[in-house]
Amino acid sequence: LAKTTQPISMDSYEGQEVNITCSHNNIATNDYITWYQQFPSQGPRFIIQGYKTKVTNEVASLFIPADRKSSTLSLPRVSLSDTAVYYCLVGDPNNAGNMLTFGGGTRLMVKP
Amino acid sequence: SAVISQKPSRDICQRGTSLTIQCQVDSQVTMMFWYRQQPGQSLTLIATANQGSEATYESGFVIDKFPISRPNLTFSTLTVSNMSPEDSSIYLCSELPTGSYNEQFFGPGTRLTVL
Repeated sequence: LAKTTQPISMDSYEGQEVNITCSHNNIATNDYITWYQQFPSQGPRFIIQGYKTKVTNEVASLFIPADRKSSTLSLPRVSLSDTAVYYCLVGDPNNAGNMLTFGGGTRLMVKP
Repeated sequence: SAVISQKPSRDICQRGTSLTIQCQVDSQVTMMFWYRQQPGQSLTLIATANQGSEATYESGFVIDKFPISRPNLTFSTLTVSNMSPEDSSIYLCSELPTGSYNEQFFGPGTRLTVL
């Protein structure tokens, strides 16, 4: 399984764009990159998933360079409610067992 | 999206006792899982709850300590046996919907404190 590395924590201010980078140097050909968000006292929830280039949804964007050895979750104009822990996972979605390993996560603190 | 409920949401228990946590999903799914999340830490997979057969445990977790049942496709229980303060954690169940391993859905968690 590809190991992921993320910053332990980040601080930001309301209205700013936040970019959280995840390193996954040994990503395999069939692996996708998935990001989850976890608020205090809740289970994680899926944010976004991608394979290459750029993926955008109503919550975030995911940028994946051509070599796929890293990815960046971009949160536009964060608010206080975006304060949470963000987890990057890498795995082959055709194999459920590959989608279950959570790394350390990045604790994002948004300040007023 | 899937709706997953857990009971109890929290409990405070005495050492040496056992607690059974229930997880109910609102649709028939193929795969259900149990995780542990210690205070301030990431999630660690305990086991895969298999319907009609014994659960598949991850390294470091054993059936005697964490017996799991899954009598049907929508319900599972995790028991934390002979508890010690080191078992104080949040326990979460999750599911991967049939035919899709892209997005895992989680329950709200059970916060366990062992005194």
